[in-house]
Amino acid sequence: LAKTTQPISMDSYEGQEVNITCSHNNIATNDYITWYQQFPSQGPRFIIQGYKTKVTNEVASLFIPADRKSSTLSLPRVSLSDTAVYYCLVGDNAGNMLTFGGGTRLMVKP
Amino acid sequence: AAGVIQSPRHLIKEKRETATLKCYPIPRHDTVYWYQQGPGQDPQFLISFYEKMQSDKGSIPDRFSAQQFSDYHSELNMSSLELGDSALYFCASSNLIEQYFGPGTRLTVT
Repeated sequence: LAKTTQPISMDSYEGQEVNITCSHNNIATNDYITWYQQFPSQGPRFIIQGYKTKVTNEVASLFIPADRKSSTLSLPRVSLSDTAVYYCLVGDNAGNMLTFGGGTRLMVKP
Repeated sequence: AAGVIQSPRHLIKEKRETATLKCYPIPRHDTVYWYQQGPGQDPQFLISFYEKMQSDKGSIPDRFSAQQFSDYHSELNMSSLELGDSALYFCASSNLIEQYFGPGTRLTVT
């Protein structure tokens, strides 16, 4: 499984755009990049998944450069309710278990 | 939309007792995963089932066992409980694209 590295924590203010970058230097050809969000005492929640270039949904965008050795989760105009831990995960899309490691704790301030 | 159901939501047991956690996946999801999350830690994969057969095994202690039944619900059985087993236990089900997590069972071992 490809190892991921993300910042331990980030601070932001309401209304700002937040970009969280994840490094995954040894990503395999058949690996996808998936981001999950977790609030305290709740189960992780799927945010977005991508393989290359850019993916956008109603809550976030995911930017993946051509070499796929990193990815950036972009949260537009964050609110206080976006305060959570964000996990970047890399793995194939075959329904395998998720390996969580070192998420980014985002604190959104008023 | 139906979500993953876990029961009980809270459980208090004494050392050396046994506990059974139940998980009811989203209808038509055929894969169930169990994760353990200790205080201040990332979720750790324990075990998964696909079509009632064990598909992957993670850091699950020998004191724990699990199974998936014909109706696709799953049970995690924990014996000889230790203080270190106190954690949130999440069940997730999958449609092979993303995993949907339940609300978790908070187990406290005293």
